Amino acid sequence: QKEVEQDPGPLSVPEGAIVSLNCTYSNSAFQYFMWYRQYSRKGPELLMYTYSSGNKEDGRFTAQVDKSSKYISLFIRDSQPSDSATYLCATSSNTGKLIFGQGTTLQVKP
Amino acid sequence: GAVVSQHPSRVICKSGTSVKIECRSLDFQATTMFWYRQFPKKSLMLMATSNEGSKATYEQGVEKDKFLINHASLTLSTLTVTSAHPEDSSFYICSARDPWGTSGRGGVFAEQFFGPGTRLTVL
Repeated sequence: QKEVEQDPGPLSVPEGAIVSLNCTYSNSAFQYFMWYRQYSRKGPELLMYTYSSGNKEDGRFTAQVDKSSKYISLFIRDSQPSDSATYLCATSSNTGKLIFGQGTTLQVKP
Repeated sequence: GAVVSQHPSRVICKSGTSVKIECRSLDFQATTMFWYRQFPKKSLMLMATSNEGSKATYEQGVEKDKFLINHASLTLSTLTVTSAHPEDSSFYICSARDPWGTSGRGGVFAEQFFGPGTRLTVL
């Protein structure tokens, strides 16, 4: 079993839709959870991080962690064509190493 | 956020040659840098952790004699792919940990900033 599982998609939505991206993880010791956005042929950039359980909101983006079910989510409201990218969830081991999911490719159509 | 650069952004080489990739933290000092490899439509796989002034720590299955890592200063780490073969063709990405950043996380959990990646093609 992979430590972090993520549906690779692709996911295609119309502009303005609410997007839901999800990951599951296996190790209950993980404490930090991140979402990265990666445009084609570029390095990942951090969108949001969450410590332990709960929600965090930043503009159109909301990150959610449910440690009881080992489930992490990213919601994008009012999606825009510029949101089209690959979204990677990640968690941090106790040594600080990042463990990434496979990434979900999102396309927002005008 | 902090800026990390990589050079070159793209390299094409013949089989058997060696290729060096540089990773620089431009506006902060990074005692720890990381090297990742990413195949098309796949996740980032950590190859090794590079610590300034000491030997790199390689992940299981990564050949340390093939992927040489040097972290000679607080702002520069290099990855040399020795005797490259077509199966080494991939997207290589580095990241640098900013231990004194403003993320609110410290120590080993401090934020990592990623470079733009280097596309290596071995013919």
